[in-house]
Parts: sequence; structure tokens; C-alpha cells
Amino acid sequence: QVQLVQSGAEVEKPGASVKVSCKASEDTFSNYYIHWVRQAPGQGPEWMGVINPRIGSTNYAQKFLGRVSMTRDTSTSTVYMELSSLRSEDTAIYYCARGTLGLNWFDPWGRGTLVTVSS
Amino acid sequence: QSVLTQPPSVSGAPGQRVTISCTGSSSNIGAGFHVHWYQHLPGTAPKLLIYDNISRPSGVPDRFSGSKSGTSVSLAISGLQAEDEADYYCQSYDNSLSGYVFGTGTKVTVL
Repeated sequence: QVQLVQSGAEVEKPGASVKVSCKASEDTFSNYYIHWVRQAPGQGPEWMGVINPRIGSTNYAQKFLGRVSMTRDTSTSTVYMELSSLRSEDTAIYYCARGTLGLNWFDPWGRGTLVTVSS
Repeated sequence: QSVLTQPPSVSGAPGQRVTISCTGSSSNIGAGFHVHWYQHLPGTAPKLLIYDNISRPSGVPDRFSGSKSGTSVSLAISGLQAEDEADYYCQSYDNSLSGYVFGTGTKVTVL
């Protein structure tokens, strides 16, 4: 069963950065893409960007350009999403989800990581 | 912030059929990009329910079906069951944003 295992909840102050991890199987890491999607309270999901873990290439949503960075650690099959200059509006559950080249859906998803931005 | 519009809530009695609409624009659904549906219970991982407008992944009951007409797509749940009570989101691609977009979400309540 394909699984994406995410790191635990984080609490950060405004202006700080947060780094969320998503551990995948070796097969997922080598043959698929990992997307990041967030969902703020009471809102619909919002796509943040995607990384090809095999080569490290990324594509970020326009809204997050300059503030988001997606990286990976090939030794642990783990993908990271770092969001900087945090503000209260960044309080959300952050999900990683697997994607396939040429297919525009996400499956499966991780269980999510709650990031709370509060002073 | 959501680009695709869904009704906030729908409800039905057990055994009934409910439908959820998802309306987009000429840069996403109207441009021919497929729509996908997810079921989400709070605290769990969202689950892919329908992909490419009408296809069901293996393991998804055939009570769930998708349809598309122009810039509107719909998810139907027939034979509604208590376990279907969840949030449902549509998702597509938008070529003006060069990114993926989601719906506003619909909460399904089983009466």
C-alpha cells in the first residue's frame, strides 16, 4: 500500500519559516511527483507546487513564488516543503500528495501536517 | 481563493441520490481539462474518488459517479450511506494560472 508519511504539527511565529517533511517509498520517490497542497480553516484546498524527487526539479504556484522551496533527500526518500515569511494566513493543514507525469490528479495523499502561525 | 465553485452543502436520507456540481471557466474546465473528485473526512488523508471526469479508481463503490457537460461537472452519490458523510472537492488544471485548482468544497450530510 502506497503511503506518504508526514511530519508532526508545528507552531511558528509570524516572520519565521517552517519545514514540513513527507517520506515516500523508494518506488514513489523514484517514479512519481510529489505535490504540496494546503487547506486553511474553512477554505478549499490550494495547490502550492510540485517536485520531481528523482531529479529535484520544481514548479511552484505563482502565489508562493519566492516564499516556498521544495527539496528532497534521496538517502531517505523524503521530500521537504519550506515556507518562509510566515503570516497568520498561512495557518493551515499542509498535505503532500503523489502525482504522475501527464495525469492531473493526486493519489494518494498524506494525512497532513497542521502548521499554526501565531505570536 | 478557490477557482472552482461548488454548493456549500447537500443532504439526503439514506438510500437517496445526491449530486454535487462543480463550475469552472474557460481557462480550466471549459478549456477541456479533466476534473477529479476527492472525498475528505477531517483528520484523514483526502481520497481520490473520481478521475478524468468519470473514471473510478479500483475500490471506489459504483454508487459514486461523475459526469461533465460544458464547463460544469457533477458528482453523484446514489444509495446514500451514513459513511458517505464527508467533504467533497473537485479539482482541475487552470492554464491561466499554470497550476492546479480546487473547488470550494461541499459538505454532504446524511439525514
